[in-house]
Amino acid sequence: AQKVTQAQTEISVVEKEDVTLDCVYETRDTTYYLFWYKQPPSGELVFLIRRNSFDEQNEISGRYSWNFQKSTSSFNFTITASQVVDSAVYFCALSEVFSSNTGKLIFGQGTTLQVKP
Amino acid sequence: AAGVIQSPRHLIKEKRETATLKCYPIPRHDTVYWYQQGPGQDPQFLISFYEKMQSDKGSIPDRFSAQQFSDYHSELNMSSLELGDSALYFCASSLGGSGGELFFGEGSRLTVL
Repeated sequence: AQKVTQAQTEISVVEKEDVTLDCVYETRDTTYYLFWYKQPPSGELVFLIRRNSFDEQNEISGRYSWNFQKSTSSFNFTITASQVVDSAVYFCALSEVFSSNTGKLIFGQGTTLQVKP
Repeated sequence: AAGVIQSPRHLIKEKRETATLKCYPIPRHDTVYWYQQGPGQDPQFLISFYEKMQSDKGSIPDRFSAQQFSDYHSELNMSSLELGDSALYFCASSLGGSGGELFFGEGSRLTVL
């Protein structure tokens, strides 16, 4: 069965520190998509990235980077030089292509990141 | 660009009352999803519609029903409300099925007193 695990419930760092949020997933499908969403205190879900299971290239977008390792079923997210505005709940999510013909997302439990000034 | 519109943004109801949430997907998107996020929880999939037909069903209580209309907007109807129904309800839309990026609305916060 599909499952997304974010083992870190809460992380607290001081501004300018680097922080990595872990995500491990389980799926029977060979084709799937992985996502990261940010949920600030205001509540909306902000899309950060979508990664196809066939594309294992790491991606960097400004201070954000993602490390996708199919061999370990992990899709970790690193924020470099964290800022107070990065404080939010971050969700990793999985969408299966074959098992779920609707593309619905299965979310991890979320990691609450607190960046202190 | 137009986003997913949800209404109302906030709703307060009493136990045993009925509530209806509306979702207007991004134009030309044919798939709508409903998620429920309880306090401190991750969003849980409730139900989805593709081309006005129910396409998948998750952990949606029997007291809840939903439909997608001819203009592709969707409504989530919740009856006999319970305290535990207090949550943030997200609607998302996408174009096509699997693999399409889901675009989320800002959510409707339901409080049941």
